[in-house]
Amino acid sequence: DAKTTQPNSMESNEEEPVHLPCNHSTISGTDYIHWYRQLPSQGPEYVIHGLTSNVNNRMASLAIAEDRKSSTLILHRATLRDAAVYYCILKAGGTSYGKLTFGQGTILTVHP
Amino acid sequence: NAGVTQTPKFRILKIGQSMTLQCTQDMNHNYMYWYRQDPGMGLKLIYYSVGAGITDKGEVPNGYNVSRSTTEDFPLRLELAAPSQTSVYFCASSYRDGQGIGGYTFGSGTRLTVV
Repeated sequence: DAKTTQPNSMESNEEEPVHLPCNHSTISGTDYIHWYRQLPSQGPEYVIHGLTSNVNNRMASLAIAEDRKSSTLILHRATLRDAAVYYCILKAGGTSYGKLTFGQGTILTVHP
Repeated sequence: NAGVTQTPKFRILKIGQSMTLQCTQDMNHNYMYWYRQDPGMGLKLIYYSVGAGITDKGEVPNGYNVSRSTTEDFPLRLELAAPSQTSVYFCASSYRDGQGIGGYTFGSGTRLTVV
């Protein structure tokens, strides 16, 4: 299975942009790139996902490298509520229903 | 807007006991899943369902069973609980197996301890 690699931790100040990187050099052509975040004692929360093109939604932006071997989650203005563990996940296409390959996650700390 | 609801939130079982973890969703999603998350690890898929009456094994199905009689409900049954089943269990649902709007929606989890 393809793997993802993320930094263990990152820090940001409130209202500043945050760029969370993820490497997935063995990604296959049908793998989608998903990002979720998780707070202690809670379930993962969907942030964004994409296949080849950059994606934007109300929470964040996802920048995908042209070769798809890396991606970056962009939080445009960090708030204290964005402090969480962020997981970069590959979701295989086809009939691999529900099979998610997790990275180790990045602990994001946001300073007031 | 409840999303995915799991009960109970916490449970302690003795070795050999059985229990059912309940999961219900109100988004009319066809796809539902059960995962377990061990400390410091990602999610491992136990079972999944692509619609009412259709279930299949995931990566770690041993010791578990599921049923899907309605679109809304997807209970997970633990038979003969073992210490290795101590974990946090998450139920999830999705439209188009996570590729639609909103990806996967997860419940808040059930923390199970087997002693």
